[in-house]
Amino acid sequence: QVQLVQSGAEVKKPGASVKVSCKTSGYSFAKKDISWVRQAPGQGLEWMGWISVYNGNTNYAENFQGRVTMTTDTSTTTAYMELRSLRSDDTAVYYCAVMGRWRRLDYWGQGTLVTVSS
Amino acid sequence: SYVLTQPPSVSVAPGTTARITCGGNNIGIKSVHWYQQKPGQAPVLVIYYDGDRPSGIPERFSGSNSGNTATLTISRVEAGDEADYYCQVWDSSNDHGIFGGGTKLTVL
Repeated sequence: QVQLVQSGAEVKKPGASVKVSCKTSGYSFAKKDISWVRQAPGQGLEWMGWISVYNGNTNYAENFQGRVTMTTDTSTTTAYMELRSLRSDDTAVYYCAVMGRWRRLDYWGQGTLVTVSS
Repeated sequence: SYVLTQPPSVSVAPGTTARITCGGNNIGIKSVHWYQQKPGQAPVLVIYYDGDRPSGIPERFSGSNSGNTATLTISRVEAGDEADYYCQVWDSSNDHGIFGGGTKLTVL
């Protein structure tokens, strides 16, 4: 079965960077794109961007352009999301998700809590 | 940019029908997907392509989409359906995903 296992919780200081990993299994990694979504405490879902595992092309939401980089490692079937210049309002749970037809998000990781605090 | 509007909350009694709307400009021409999120858990896809169900999702969950409104319908609501529900579309003009603000379903 499809599984996405994300890295553990992180605590970062303002201005630092964080890199979250998403280890996938149970499907053909190169055939599905991956999106990243975040959720601030008590808030809704916010789409951050997506990456084509096939060719590495990325498309980021305007709110994150210039601060986020999404990558993949096909040898380990792992996706990564790095967010730089962290601010307190970046405190959130970050999710990776496998994209299916019609750009639906078929499978989700368990989420990674990133806390930004001085 | 494209905006999806959901009511913040919907409350229904067990055994009745819950309808959660998702409004957007001419949303009827887009494919709408719905996610259920219970506290402390990751979202789960419950409806895709307006009204199709992934395997394992009960037939009580259905969806429709026309004009400026998409609707998630949950029949014979159970206590276990209490959750936040989010609609999602894809904006093909910029290849971006968009979520509605979410609706908290309370089972009275």
